[in-house]
Amino acid sequence: SQQGEEDPQALSIQEGENATMNCSYKTSINNLQWYRQNSGRGLVHLILIRSNEREKHSGRLRVTLDTSKKSSSLLITASRAADTASYFCATARIGAGSYQLTFGKGTKLSVIP
Amino acid sequence: GAVVSQHPSWVICKSGTSVKIECRSLDFQATTMFWYRQFPKQSLMLMATSNEGSKATYEQGVEKDKFLINHASLTLSTLTVTSAHPEDSSFYICSAKGQIEAFFGQGTRLTVV
Repeated sequence: SQQGEEDPQALSIQEGENATMNCSYKTSINNLQWYRQNSGRGLVHLILIRSNEREKHSGRLRVTLDTSKKSSSLLITASRAADTASYFCATARIGAGSYQLTFGKGTKLSVIP
Repeated sequence: GAVVSQHPSWVICKSGTSVKIECRSLDFQATTMFWYRQFPKQSLMLMATSNEGSKATYEQGVEKDKFLINHASLTLSTLTVTSAHPEDSSFYICSAKGQIEAFFGQGTRLTVV
């Protein structure tokens, strides 16, 4: 089964509002990554947070990680119409000679101008 | 940041023909590359993991004779969809693992008619 599960599945907000997306996972991880995907396009890496980090910022993005709850959140502040896209979390498990990146189902964000 | 080039971006082919998709890491060496498949409005599903110079490891349910993967060098992996059928139509995305994280290509939209 999928490692990461995002919620909500879809989110529609007005431009200027904040958007919060959540991701839950089931097993231990080395890091968690958030990606954006515009319709029919490839993935854009947004931010990576390691398992020993609790919060990370990048521009208008804020990511939190709670390893005790096995959950992460992505906050986009002051949203813009250009933020309309699908957002995926991906959990990374790194072992001796192995690297496994597993994606959640994604949250489709619509920002209305 | 690291760049992964995937080619072609889109391809339309006739049923029964084979299609080759290339994935290149342009500014770093990737000992491990991954191939994903994404159906419309769904998340990425890992198809296989390839390590340079060795056979690819396929995920359960992925036909290795159907999806041929070659990782002949540290900067190039190819996925060949053999005897393609309409149900193989999908969005295929590769990623190449750098030192810490994996970087994604822009994807290939395959349509089999």
